[in-house]
Amino acid sequence: GQNIDQPTEMTATEGAIVQINCTYQTSGFNGLFWYQQHAGEAPTFLSYNVLDGLEEKGRFSSFLSRSKGYSYLLLKELQMKDSASYLCAVTDSNYQLIWGAGTKLIIKP
Amino acid sequence: GAVVSQHPSWVICKSGTSVKIECRSLDFQATTMFWYRQFPKQSLMLMATSNEGSKATYEQGVEKDKFLINHASLTLSTLTVTSAHPEDSSFYICSADSPTIGITEFAQHFGDGTRLSIL
Repeated sequence: GQNIDQPTEMTATEGAIVQINCTYQTSGFNGLFWYQQHAGEAPTFLSYNVLDGLEEKGRFSSFLSRSKGYSYLLLKELQMKDSASYLCAVTDSNYQLIWGAGTKLIIKP
Repeated sequence: GAVVSQHPSWVICKSGTSVKIECRSLDFQATTMFWYRQFPKQSLMLMATSNEGSKATYEQGVEKDKFLINHASLTLSTLTVTSAHPEDSSFYICSADSPTIGITEFAQHFGDGTRLSIL
């Protein structure tokens, strides 16, 4: 079956750095997405990786290793507004998007 | 950037009522739209994939006669929850594939969601 694993919840301190991991087992691979979802709101697109390596976008970076079926989202200089759920999603060989359950990130002052 | 508008944002109605939710792509044409349901503290659950001009593809366990999907144009898809009951209360979110500048894959862009409460 297809499966995406990410931690259920993480806690970090304002101003610090946090890494949210995601591992996947899917039928084929056509890219990995990270989305941010604040409570009661719809997800918003953060990043996309299809090749191995690190993609940096401001305070957020996303890394992919296809051979390991592994990705992480790195958030630097954490702000209180970064408190949200972070969803990892993978597009399989049929271009179907498989969603992880999300990681709830709690930022403490 | 790609904008998806979803309406209404909040619905409260009596059991047995049918509720229609609209999803519009405002600045692009969306051949494919997706309907999700999300219960509190759970992840997104894909209900169906809506293709313009053809029948929607429903995920296993989703009743097609209860959740009617119409995708009559390249910018509009509607989800009608027929004879809604309290167990249908949830957060319903639509999304559309849109080419995103800088990447080769299409990212899904989401509407703001509809919170449905059935009394």
